[in-house]
Amino acid sequence: AQSVAQPEDQVNVAEGNPLTVKCTYSVSGNPYLFWYVQYPNRGLQFLLKYITGDNLVKGSYGFEAEFNKSQTSFHLKKPSALVSDSALYFCAVRVGGYQKVTFGIGTKLQVIP
Amino acid sequence: DAGVIQSPRHEVTEMGQEVTLRCKPISGHNSLFWYRQTMMRGLELLIYFNNNVPIDDSGMPEDRFSAKMPNASFSTLKIQPSEPRDSAVYFCASSPRTSTGELFFGEGSRLTVL
Repeated sequence: AQSVAQPEDQVNVAEGNPLTVKCTYSVSGNPYLFWYVQYPNRGLQFLLKYITGDNLVKGSYGFEAEFNKSQTSFHLKKPSALVSDSALYFCAVRVGGYQKVTFGIGTKLQVIP
Repeated sequence: DAGVIQSPRHEVTEMGQEVTLRCKPISGHNSLFWYRQTMMRGLELLIYFNNNVPIDDSGMPEDRFSAKMPNASFSTLKIQPSEPRDSAVYFCASSPRTSTGELFFGEGSRLTVL
């Protein structure tokens, strides 16, 4: 079985400050990890992924995420938040060789002007 | 390029009626997924197809739900009879053969069952 936990329902951050959205995972096997963003009344959009290699991955809109195998975490980060980053963020996992993707419950990011 | 296309975007129906949601995946993508999103349960995978063949339907809630993919460019999710607890946003997503897993989502179909 595979699962993802996003411990925070909502994260509030001031514009210009760094942001972190947390994610931990549980899988049997090598994890493929993803972050997606959802704006109101829209579908999910892919932000970035970790498959193998460098633990720090960079994605769209200045976002990055750090894979930590020992802590089974894959936190999303951005050095300087924008008001336009306000949205719902989903962490997701799949096991290599299988296509089933499991999503976390989502974290609402609110960037305050 | 056209993305994943879902219809209808909004559907309001009465309990007991049949509902059919439609999805056109991105051309060339060989995997198709149906997800349901609710406030309480988040995103749930209902079923996914590879090369038009259902691979895992363990997430389909019950026999009232069925999904088909008659060809590579079309899939349907049918609920018969519908119930108020089926109210949710239903997303279709597709993925190419060479993908390492990222999904391309449609805009969703918001279903309200009265």
